[in-house]
Amino acid sequence: DVKVTQSSRYLVKRTGEKVFLECVQDMDHENMFWYRQDPGLGLRLIYFSYDVKMKEKGDIPEGYSVSREKKERFSLILESASTNQTSMYLCASTPGGAGGDYEQYFGPGTRLTVT
Amino acid sequence: AQKITQTQPGMFVQEKEAVTLDCTYDTSDPSYGLFWYKQPSSGEMIFLIYQGSYDQQNATEGRYSLNFQKARKSANLVISASQLGDSAMYFCAMREGPSTNSNSGYALNFGKGTSLLVTP
Repeated sequence: DVKVTQSSRYLVKRTGEKVFLECVQDMDHENMFWYRQDPGLGLRLIYFSYDVKMKEKGDIPEGYSVSREKKERFSLILESASTNQTSMYLCASTPGGAGGDYEQYFGPGTRLTVT
Repeated sequence: AQKITQTQPGMFVQEKEAVTLDCTYDTSDPSYGLFWYKQPSSGEMIFLIYQGSYDQQNATEGRYSLNFQKARKSANLVISASQLGDSAMYFCAMREGPSTNSNSGYALNFGKGTSLLVTP
């Protein structure tokens, strides 16, 4: 079974803090994704990575950065947390290759509160 | 522009009845894939069913089927014989074909979701 794990289920941080959200997958997937989920807005893509050290911006990258130094790990970084970044953050991974007709496997999510 | 539209914020259905959750999509890419996910109150995203744009037949997975109408750009999820455990948020999502300049073809665009409540 594919497993995607996230470092914390719940996190509370103060405004201005630097925040790291970690995601690890154990199936050697090429592609990894970070989404945020807010009520009434669905899931919105923040960043994704299709290979080690490769990344592309999603729909809402402002205020975030990412790091992928190893294939299995994809980190989301909030450089200076703000209250409008309070949200549920979901990590996902999927195999690469031609076609791309693969489901995305999701982690359990991190509910981040910025006070 | 919204690429995936789910027009039903909330739905009710009685146990054992069938229910249809609507999804329309917008793309000019001939190659795309459509996904449905379920998110119970526990928060995990559970993959339900997939339909490729070139698939001739509607996808089915157990009690789930996807009513794919390509000309209308709709991909409605049908749940037959609803169960209490089907109460959850349901998300429709689309993967568009890979672009020539990047590997971005694997990212999904999600709709805003439909909250389904199954009543006894």
